Amino acid sequence: KNEVEQSPQNLTAQEGEFITINCSYSVGISALHWLQQHPGGGIVSLFMLSSGKKKHGRLIATINIQEKHSSLHITASHPRDSAVYICAVSAYGNKLVFGAGTILRVKS
Amino acid sequence: KAGVTQTPRYLIKTRGQQVTLSCSPISGHRSVSWYQQTPGQGLQFLFEYFSETQRNKGNFPGRFSGRQFSNSRSEMNVSTLELGDSALYLCASSWYFGGGNEQFFGPGTRLTVL
Repeated sequence: KNEVEQSPQNLTAQEGEFITINCSYSVGISALHWLQQHPGGGIVSLFMLSSGKKKHGRLIATINIQEKHSSLHITASHPRDSAVYICAVSAYGNKLVFGAGTILRVKS
Repeated sequence: KAGVTQTPRYLIKTRGQQVTLSCSPISGHRSVSWYQQTPGQGLQFLFEYFSETQRNKGNFPGRFSGRQFSNSRSEMNVSTLELGDSALYLCASSWYFGGGNEQFFGPGTRLTVL
């Protein structure tokens, strides 16, 4: 079993829809990271959180430490949100352990 | 502030050769981590350097090595290249060693081994 599990693996949404991507982990962590990767490879850090909830524009990330679960929400989705979203956890140092990623496609 | 830079961006090598990749972190950042991304294995941690010392190492063979210089720039080296080493190699910098630091990724070096 992988230390970090993401669901769904693939997600197709219509523009304007509310999107949720889930992440579960099985190890103790110091922080959980949500990353975005566009075609071509570049990775952007969206959120780093160790408790509670964070919001940035149309993106919201939550984490439940007791349940070892995090969610990434995108409100009013847009085609430019199409990307791979990756959940990762850090436990020791800055070493990240990654989920397999969720491929999101938003259609107009 | 300039972002993380990696050179070269693309590289083609043949089996048995060796390769050196370079990463310049964001100014002021002292930690550099390296990752390998392949379609089959996804993203995997290679190693982390802080203050010129390797602090953390992933599960890769000894053919993969790295170092960090006093200006925090880092290089990774892969010797005796194998076809399976074809991958996107990413580095990420953060200001300090220790969990809970946001990491900033470079654009990656795409290595193709023929």
